Amino acid sequence: DAGVIQSPRHEVTEMGQEVTLRCKPISGHNSLFWYRQTMMRGLELLIYFNNNVPIDDSGMPEDRFSAKMPNASFSTLKIQPSEPRDSAVYFCASSPSGRGSTDTQYFGPGTRLTVL
Amino acid sequence: GEDVEQSLFLSVREGDSSVINCTYTDSSSTYLYWYKQEPGAGLQLLTYIFSNMDMKQDQRLTVLLNKKDKHLSLRIADTQTGDSAIYFCAETYRNTDKLIFGTGTRLQVF
Repeated sequence: DAGVIQSPRHEVTEMGQEVTLRCKPISGHNSLFWYRQTMMRGLELLIYFNNNVPIDDSGMPEDRFSAKMPNASFSTLKIQPSEPRDSAVYFCASSPSGRGSTDTQYFGPGTRLTVL
Repeated sequence: GEDVEQSLFLSVREGDSSVINCTYTDSSSTYLYWYKQEPGAGLQLLTYIFSNMDMKQDQRLTVLLNKKDKHLSLRIADTQTGDSAIYFCAETYRNTDKLIFGTGTRLQVF
């Protein structure tokens, strides 16, 4: 398996622009997580899905952030409009979840976002 | 609260043992995990321990769990320069799919 795939790996944009981050989870995993990592705040869980349904979005910073999971193999995290304080590394992770699993999360390589 | 706490920094000499400590809060956590993050990369699972175990050994890694004190440690024997990274402990959160991560400990091997 190729692991969790994220694109793009790097994104540089100007304040006010829309940014879309993409994630393909490991095939067969039924939970998907979006995290943000910064020096100041460490690793923060933004939102997670189970069987394509958002379960907990309490970590989403504000209305400018939205996430979707239209099917089991694809998810997006959108920021509109973007601001300089959104600059961070965004990670996607997936987990097999469910009874009998160890709930281990497998992380993608991350998208480094810079908003100028 | 749901804080998982770790010291921020550890520096060890190559060949020595490293011990990274973590305290967690959720006594109902089923599993506890150690992840490693190398520069520019995502988090990689190193090992995990089931909550009814006291110790788990995996090659150079030893995990110790003290449930009474809610204390988890990771010992790396014969630390190598390639072990330099940030190490995160994590606990399951109230029997959900969610993991609560610690702040991470940056291990520097000199």
